[in-house]
Amino acid sequence: NAGVTQTPKFRILKIGQSMTLQCAQDMNHNYMYWYRQDPGMGLKLIYYSVGAGITDKGEVPNGYNVSRSTTEDFPLRLELAAPSQTSVYFCASSGGRTGANVLTFGAGSRLTVL
Amino acid sequence: DAKTTQPPSMDCAEGRAANLPCNHSTISGNEYVYWYRQIHSQGPQYIIHGLKNNETNEMASLIITEDRKSSTLILPHATLRDTAVYYCIDPKLNTGNQFYFGTGTSLTVIP
Repeated sequence: NAGVTQTPKFRILKIGQSMTLQCAQDMNHNYMYWYRQDPGMGLKLIYYSVGAGITDKGEVPNGYNVSRSTTEDFPLRLELAAPSQTSVYFCASSGGRTGANVLTFGAGSRLTVL
Repeated sequence: DAKTTQPPSMDCAEGRAANLPCNHSTISGNEYVYWYRQIHSQGPQYIIHGLKNNETNEMASLIITEDRKSSTLILPHATLRDTAVYYCIDPKLNTGNQFYFGTGTSLTVIP
């Protein structure tokens, strides 16, 4: 199993451009999450999904959109990139079943907006 | 939001036990406490979780107080590779298993 795979690893965007960060998991997990982490800070939850076709906002959703058309994929769309979106983005997944629910994280995507 | 409180930083001598505390006073009766760590800029790594009883695995031990309002992560013999930021997580199950990470504790293991 590859676990959680994120692409691209690095990207530089110009202000106003758009892009999609890809996230895929091969563990048949129901729950998927997007976090961002600014330098020296903790992780902030952007969006999450409890299953295909279901998404919901986290702490910092503004400027982002997500979709969940399949169990495996959870892309994060940035529209009209701004310098404030310069950050490291982490995708995670978990089984979502009752009881303990352990997160598996991807390696991260480092985005710079200039 | 689920709120946890952790000291911002701690030091530990190599080979000694590192004891990292966490307060999770808003935890509900059926919610687990989870611990993760993040080394440099890597993705966070799961360490251990617990509900009521103390837990131990190959990485660490978790001590949970009887009232479940706080817990302590113990790294029994800290090594330099344990230098990382450690996060204590109290998810809110009734809001769809959202996991909120605070700023964690930055542990530095000193040679």
